[in-house]
Amino acid sequence: NAGVTQTPKFQVLKTGQSMTLQCAQDMNHEYMSWYRQDPGMGLRLIHYSVGAGITDQGEVPNGYNVSRSTTEDFPLRLLSAAPSQTSVYFCASSLLLERMNTEAFFGQGTRLTVV
Amino acid sequence: AQSVTQLGSHVSVSEGALVLLRCNYSSSVPPYLFWYVQYPNQGLQLLLKYTSAATLVKGINGFEAEFKKSETSFHLTKPSAHMSDAAEYFCAVSAYNNAGNMLTFGGGTRLMVKP
Repeated sequence: NAGVTQTPKFQVLKTGQSMTLQCAQDMNHEYMSWYRQDPGMGLRLIHYSVGAGITDQGEVPNGYNVSRSTTEDFPLRLLSAAPSQTSVYFCASSLLLERMNTEAFFGQGTRLTVV
Repeated sequence: AQSVTQLGSHVSVSEGALVLLRCNYSSSVPPYLFWYVQYPNQGLQLLLKYTSAATLVKGINGFEAEFKKSETSFHLTKPSAHMSDAAEYFCAVSAYNNAGNMLTFGGGTRLMVKP
């Protein structure tokens, strides 16, 4: 029972480099999302998706792209990394809210440092 | 729009003492409320959730929270702290809209337990 799997766990990038953070879930959840966690600011929503082919922006989308070609996968792309993107990134998935079991399941996180 | 405020970014208690972590929310629609716990270098794990079935909600590890609509609060309590409770705790609010179940997190409270 894998749940939500994120790769890599750690990454160091140089300013201007691009990379993709991978996220996969095996629970057939419609809703997937990406958050970044910074000290004292909790988790802030970057992008989310309510199903394959449907994505939308969250609170802090600038500098990030997403796509959802399958129900299982929701990769996050950093187009041109900046030091301000140094953070811990979490992927989460859940059933849609109209169903009562709305617990969000989180991956283990990706710790990204941009130098 | 919805928001969450957690009073106190750090709380320190002695082992065996009462734990009280405060959370106030704002929401334009009836909210769903959650408490998550994050142990060091791990993802977030659901402690408990309020989905309007009962105002006093019991969660895992002896934690509970009470929804008070008049105070727009959802404070987390535990009668007797254990060393293993040391972690960061996040309150979150979710309100259904056509974007599904977008979670908005508070800034987090780091709980320290002294022997």
